[in-house]
Amino acid sequence: DSGVTQTPKHLITATGQRVTLRCSPRSGDLSVYWYQQSLDQGLQFLIQYYNGEERAKGNILERFSAQQFPDLHSELNLSSLELGDSALYFCASSPRTGEGKGYTFGSGTRLTVV
Amino acid sequence: ILNVEQSPQSLHVQEGDSTNFTCSFPSSNFYALHWYRWETAKSPEALFVMTLNGDEKKKGRISATLNTKEGYSYLYIKGSQPEDSATYLCAPHLGGGADGLTFGKGTHLIIQP
Repeated sequence: DSGVTQTPKHLITATGQRVTLRCSPRSGDLSVYWYQQSLDQGLQFLIQYYNGEERAKGNILERFSAQQFPDLHSELNLSSLELGDSALYFCASSPRTGEGKGYTFGSGTRLTVV
Repeated sequence: ILNVEQSPQSLHVQEGDSTNFTCSFPSSNFYALHWYRWETAKSPEALFVMTLNGDEKKKGRISATLNTKEGYSYLYIKGSQPEDSATYLCAPHLGGGADGLTFGKGTHLIIQP
């Protein structure tokens, strides 16, 4: 157990629907990162939150949004889902940001859009 | 888009042999270089975070070197064991470390008994 908790582990939903993925960072970590891994693709950075505020954006679609709550857990909202959104979504956390520390990854949420 | 190249893409190595692979990244605005090990059906696990040119880090049979001037890092595994089978990812952290890491596609290492 890495200390980063992601729920649910698996999610199957239909095109056009909206889903919410949840992440609880490791205790004491203030930064949360969301990554997407599609078939034959590497880990694609989506977005970062630090202590409740958006810090950096990567290749995140406009249909996707995220937030980090006062208790530091984060949610990634995916809407108007398309078949191509099927992927493994990882959340990672780190103590702060930009301090040269490694990330701790959760076990991921596998999203299947049918 | 940040260009991170890892080579080779995959590697088959006999148990007991030593091996190494490469991560190339833009050398400008360097902040740190991360290495991760990603075993099948698990999540990526941090191996090293390297920040200084010429730095060398070691963890058991695994070590890494860093050249920030020319933009590359090598990962070495000495005396490979079956449990070393995994995908090894590198991720440079540029621009003060403010943004999320950009990962390479990884080197998929298979240790054959």
